[in-house]
Order: sequence, then structure tokens, then C-alpha cells
Amino acid sequence: TQLLEQSPQFLSIQEGENLTVYCNSSSVFSSLQWYRQEPGEGPVLLVTVVTGGEVKKLKRLTFQFGDARKDSSLHITAAQPGDTGLYLCAGANAGGTSYGKLTFGQGTILTVHP
Amino acid sequence: GAVVSQHPSRVICKSGTSVKIECRSLDFQATTMFWYRQFPKKSLMLMATSNEGSKATYEQGVEKDKFLINHASLTLSTLTVTSAHPEDSSFYICSASGGLRANDEQFFGPGTRLTVL
Repeated sequence: TQLLEQSPQFLSIQEGENLTVYCNSSSVFSSLQWYRQEPGEGPVLLVTVVTGGEVKKLKRLTFQFGDARKDSSLHITAAQPGDTGLYLCAGANAGGTSYGKLTFGQGTILTVHP
Repeated sequence: GAVVSQHPSRVICKSGTSVKIECRSLDFQATTMFWYRQFPKKSLMLMATSNEGSKATYEQGVEKDKFLINHASLTLSTLTVTSAHPEDSSFYICSASGGLRANDEQFFGPGTRLTVL
């Protein structure tokens, strides 16, 4: 069973601060996705990283995939109250009976105070 | 991106009744659909994977007789919670994938909030 450890679980910060969320695993994933979810809604895909060492930027969000494709990070610069939400990482499984399935991290509840 | 809908968005039912939740891919054909369960402020837990025209594959610990999944067409999958009990109350989310590769994106529905009284 592949596991994805996401940390921290809770993050409460002031507007303008920077933050980083981590996802780590002992398993290799074919790709890793980051989602943001609002209460009562489905997750919305932010980015997919596929290549080891890949870095993608989405405005104030920077996503990195580890060289070995076992870990990833999400860094938010100058957080804003609109960034508040549940952030989820999910690894795509490429082998065996888990082919095509996503393994989700535990999630990070981010609260940005004005 | 592709659109996935779920119906109903919210349902309240009495204990012992069955509830059906529909998941539709509106603008693409979904070869695979996934059903997840989510508790408040927690992550998504995969319940089962369904491929059109074949039996669903359930994750360990998920009762297949309790959570009936049907994927009768390439645009529709249904999850039926049979003889629902209060502990089945949860947020149920489906996702759909139209590709055959492990990296193919899953498009998520908006979720269905089930409350069993």
C-alpha cells in the first residue's frame, strides 16, 4: 500500500506570510497532483507534476516534485485570505492493481487571517 | 477542463432506507470512475473503482453489498448506499477519467452530502 504523508495538517497564518506544505512517501509515483478544496465542494486541480525535479509556478504558488518522484512541496508566497482552504496532494499510482488510482495525503487546512 | 456532475448535491434520509447517488461526465466519455468518501476536515478515502461494463473493484474494508456501484455507460456511474445508517453520513465524491494512462487526470464532481437520521 502506498502512503503519502502530508504536513502540516493545520496552518494558521497572517496575510502576507509565506508557507510551505510537504508531501512525502517512500513510494515512487508516476505523477503528483495538488488540489484545493472549499467546504462542501469537490477538489479542484491546481497542478500536476510529472518529471523528477520539476518546478511549476502558478502566480504565488510554487510546486516542486522531488528528483526521485517520492515527495513534493507547495510553497505559497505572500498568502492572502482567499488562499484559505483544504490543500490536498495526491500521487498517481502506475503499477499493478493500483494503476490509475490516486493516493491522497491527509490534507492541510490553511487559514489566512486578514 | 471536463465537467463531472453529481446528483443529488444533498440528501437526508431515514435509517434503513437506500440512497442512490449519480455521477455523470457531461462532456467526455469516462472509462473509469472513482468513488471517494470524505469526513469533515479530512482527506478523501477511495472506496471503489468502476470501469464501464464491469464489476467495481472495492478498496479493503469497504463493504460491496453496502455500497453498490453500477457503471452502466461511459457517462454514468451510480453509488447506492443500501440500508443506510447514521454512520454512513458523509460527503461522497466521484471522479471520472477518460484515459487509459496512470497519469490521466481525474475530474472530480462537486460531491454529495448524505445525512442519515
